[in-house]
Amino acid sequence: KQEVTQIPAALSVPEGENLVLNCSFTDSAIYNLQWFRQDPGKGLTSLLLIQSSQREQTSGRLNASLDKSSGRSTLYIAASQPGDSATYLCAGAPKTSGSRLTFGEGTQLTVNP
Amino acid sequence: GAGVSQSPSNKVTEKGKDVELRCDPISGHTALYWYRQSLGQGLEFLIYFQGNSAPDKSGLPSDRFSAERTGGSVSTLTIQRTQQEDSAVYLCASSSNYQNIQYFGAGTRLSVL
Repeated sequence: KQEVTQIPAALSVPEGENLVLNCSFTDSAIYNLQWFRQDPGKGLTSLLLIQSSQREQTSGRLNASLDKSSGRSTLYIAASQPGDSATYLCAGAPKTSGSRLTFGEGTQLTVNP
Repeated sequence: GAGVSQSPSNKVTEKGKDVELRCDPISGHTALYWYRQSLGQGLEFLIYFQGNSAPDKSGLPSDRFSAERTGGSVSTLTIQRTQQEDSAVYLCASSSNYQNIQYFGAGTRLSVL
């Protein structure tokens, strides 16, 4: 059974800092890994999706990497802004169960002006 | 609309009552998912519909939970004889055949008193 863990659970940084959020998963037979953002009281917004054959994806100030052999993914946020404050969730899709997602507990990020 | 729509946004019910939660996926998306997000449990998969295939119900927590998808579009999640532990945010997502990104609705917050 796939288990997804995110570290740290919470992170507070000053505006402008570069930061890294970590995600680890137990089953390397992963179809893809997605990073989401969730604002309080809202649904999830997809940020980046990395297929199992890829090593990284970039969108603007965000860069996500995937290392299947070590069971890790990272989300790098450059030049953080107060508007980046949210909960960030990573989720893995297994090869054998369609694309249902197994989520980590999330990292609550606060960027202070 | 352009996104996944869920209704109601909030539902308060008494223990023992039945509730129905509705999800309108993005037009043309063949896959539809229900997840539950509760304190201490994170985001859990409930059920997955893909086209005309039999749904993957492996995440439903008990036989009080059921879901259907009519005409390959709108889905209804029904919880019978609600219990206090059913209190959570119920999230719906949809995706297309051509990309694995799941698009989430804003969720229905269910409170069982």
